[in-house]
Parts: sequence; C-alpha cells; structure tokens
Amino acid sequence: GAVVSQHPSWVICKSGTSVKIECRSLDFQATTMFWYRQFPKQSLMLMATSNEGSKATYEQGVEKDKFLINHASLTLSTLTVTSAHPEDSSFYICSAPSTLPNVDTQYFGPGTRLTVL
Amino acid sequence: TQLLEQSPQFLSIQEGENLTVYCNSSSVFSSLQWYRQEPGEGPVLLVTVVTGGEVKKLKRLTFQFGDARKDSSLHITAAQPGDTGLYLCAALRLKTSYDKVIFGPGTSLSVIP
Repeated sequence: GAVVSQHPSWVICKSGTSVKIECRSLDFQATTMFWYRQFPKQSLMLMATSNEGSKATYEQGVEKDKFLINHASLTLSTLTVTSAHPEDSSFYICSAPSTLPNVDTQYFGPGTRLTVL
Repeated sequence: TQLLEQSPQFLSIQEGENLTVYCNSSSVFSSLQWYRQEPGEGPVLLVTVVTGGEVKKLKRLTFQFGDARKDSSLHITAAQPGDTGLYLCAALRLKTSYDKVIFGPGTSLSVIP
C-alpha cells in the first residue's frame, strides 16, 4: 500500500530556533498533503493543507508566518516551525489522500515529535 | 464547538469484556472513518462507512453508521490488551469535495490483562 514517511521522527531544539519537518509520499504522487498537530492525550488538529505549486491553506487560528509550508514537488511537503517556543512542542503528523478514484483514504506519516527547550 | 463528539473519552476495561465507542455529530456526512492510533505513531485507518445503516465487521470490531449518517459506533467484542490505543472517528469536510479529514476528540482505550 501507499506509504508516507516523515523526517525526522523526533527533534529537540532550543527556543528561538527554526525546525523543518519533511513529509514524503514514497510510492505515489500527492498534489495535496495535510499537516496535523497533536498534543498529549488529545486528538489530531488540522493545521493546514499543503498544495503542490501553490500556497498552503491554513486553518483558522494557525499562524502562517510561524508555520511555513512548502510543497515544491509531488512527493514532498515541508513544515518549518519558525522561532520555536516551548508551547510549539507537539507531535506533528502529515497525511496524503489516495490518488485512486472513489477511494476515501488518507495515508498518514509516522509523525514527528518536536520538543522545544 | 467540535464537529464530532466521541464518548467515552477514556475507557479502562478488563481483558475479555465488550465495549462500545460512540461518535456523534449534528451534521450529515458523506462518510465516516475510524482510526486507531498507538503512542508515538500516526493513525491507522480501520474502516470507512458510507451508507446510512451500514454495518462492517473487522474480526472482533463491528462498525455501524447511523441511518441519518450523523453518527457511528465501534463495538469491540472480547477486548484484548492489543486493542489498547486511541480510537478516532473522522469525517470528511462538508463544504468541499473530498480533501480534508476532521477528527473527533478520540477515545483512549486501555485493556488490562
């Protein structure tokens, strides 16, 4: 089946630095990818929709200048957390929808654990 | 306000017991999905229900979609420790064609040996 990978799987950074997280579709092309954030013992919250070749669409309340999304190719989307602060510490998960017709399936990455000190 | 509500939020049961998790909304959906997520991993799709009243079985798991397509339930028979995890229902956004999955708050299940 389709596979989505994320890199890194975990990262620890100092407050004020920027961190880039990659999301790759390994055996299919994804014109759209989604970024979610999940705090401990909570559900996944959709942050933004990443669109290949165009600007990302952000959900209400998500700062687009803080969470920079780039979808430069059909297999790669990146999320950059700029000037990270401890409250940005979270589990970040990306997903890509199936490209098969009439198949409502999202393929999720394994997630990236970000800890900001 | 949450688009999807789940109950219970937490559930701790003994191995061998049965349980039901509910997912409710005031909105009508084209389909609902159930995922299971283990700590430190991404969610894994269990099932998609599309037709009102539909029932799907996956081994000891039974999924039902409400007749009005506003709610769904997940029933686990004879729970096992391996069933422990976060169960999430999810729905497709209403206003757009398929491209977004919105998750419910989740039910954290713990099955004690």
